[in-house]
Amino acid sequence: RKEVEQDPGPFNVPEGATVAFNCTYSNSASQSFFWYRQDCRKEPKLLMSVYSSGNEDGRFTAQLNRASQYISLLIRDSKLSDSATYLCVVRGTGGFKTIFGAGTRLFVKA
Amino acid sequence: NAGVTQTPKFQVLKTGQSMTLQCAQDMNHEYMSWYRQDPGMGLRLIHYSVGAGITDQGEVPNGYNVSRSTTEDFPLRLLSAAPSQTSVYFCASSYSLAGDEQYFGPGTRLTVT
Repeated sequence: RKEVEQDPGPFNVPEGATVAFNCTYSNSASQSFFWYRQDCRKEPKLLMSVYSSGNEDGRFTAQLNRASQYISLLIRDSKLSDSATYLCVVRGTGGFKTIFGAGTRLFVKA
Repeated sequence: NAGVTQTPKFQVLKTGQSMTLQCAQDMNHEYMSWYRQDPGMGLRLIHYSVGAGITDQGEVPNGYNVSRSTTEDFPLRLLSAAPSQTSVYFCASSYSLAGDEQYFGPGTRLTVT
């Protein structure tokens, strides 16, 4: 089993749609959680950190469920510019152990 | 600030050749790391450093060496290139270990023939 697993893509949605991505992690000692965005042939960039209480940044909402070892990202009112790959990232204990999910591809169409 | 810079952007090597991928950051970050990204596998950690003079292995270290003589620079050396090392390589830095954003360089696309 992979340490971080994401929904298989691609997701194809129309502009204005709401789309949700899920991510599960296997290490219960994981400490920090993030969503990164990666555009085609570009480097990953931080979209948002994920906190236990849940957090929102404009159209984006991230949730963490430690009991179920599950992270989610909700995008409301999708824009064409949201088309990208979304990477779930988990950082563990004992140092610099950072695990990336394989990513979920999103296509937003007009 | 230039952020994290990487050179070269593209490289083609023959099997058995060696080369060094360069990475530099101007944000005074203590923590730097190298990842490779292959289709369908996500980014995998090769080596990382928690400060000048301190390096450690990540998930896939075989065939690669690193050194950290200064806070700014963290080069990755391929000792004897193999086709399995064809990948996109990203260097990243962050202010601290857990809980902080990692800043990535633009990547180096390496092909080994």
